[in-house]
Amino acid sequence: GENVEQHPSTLSVQEGDSAVIKCTYSDSASNYFPWYKQELGKGPQLIIDIRSNVGEKKDQRIAVTLNKTAKHFSLHITETQPEDSAVYFCAASKGFNKFYFGSGTKLNVKP
Amino acid sequence: SQTIHQWPATLVQPVGSPLSLECTVEGTSNPNLYWYRQAAGRGLQLLFYSVGIGQISSEVPQNLSASRPQDRQFILSSKKLLLSDSGFYLCAWSVRLAAPGWETQYFGPGTRLLVL
Repeated sequence: GENVEQHPSTLSVQEGDSAVIKCTYSDSASNYFPWYKQELGKGPQLIIDIRSNVGEKKDQRIAVTLNKTAKHFSLHITETQPEDSAVYFCAASKGFNKFYFGSGTKLNVKP
Repeated sequence: SQTIHQWPATLVQPVGSPLSLECTVEGTSNPNLYWYRQAAGRGLQLLFYSVGIGQISSEVPQNLSASRPQDRQFILSSKKLLLSDSGFYLCAWSVRLAAPGWETQYFGPGTRLLVL
């Protein structure tokens, strides 16, 4: 089955700096890669996703890049703000109702 | 717009007691439904998914079971809880596509279960 690894497990940045979280996957058939943000005590919320037919997608301060050859994808947050502090999860899927999640990255944005 | 509800929000249960967690989705029809468990500080583990009423697929052998009595209702149950059942339980839904594809999953607020 698919194996998704996520790094780093914790990340501290100063407000205004950029944050990058990286994930690798093992199954070359995976073709959909969502990113979720989970605030304390709440369910994960989808923040951005990318499909295998594109290499990059951007939504305001958030961007995701995908390298299919290397089987890795990354989340980039620019101009970080304290409200960006949360746990971020990556996931990979090739459909059939199966999503494989990374272990999460706890992002702390210091004011 | 679609919304997903879970209750209760928190639950403290003794070992050996039964469990029933409920999830309902509004604003969509024929969704795919999922139950995940999240251990403290860990990722999400898929427990069950359902593509229709009465259709349940189990991903891991365990002490839990799931049922889907109505199109937009998904229930997670146990006859006898174990200490290891403690965790954060998340329900999710996705649009059911005609063919397998890239269904985006949307999560509910979760239920925190503590088994003592």
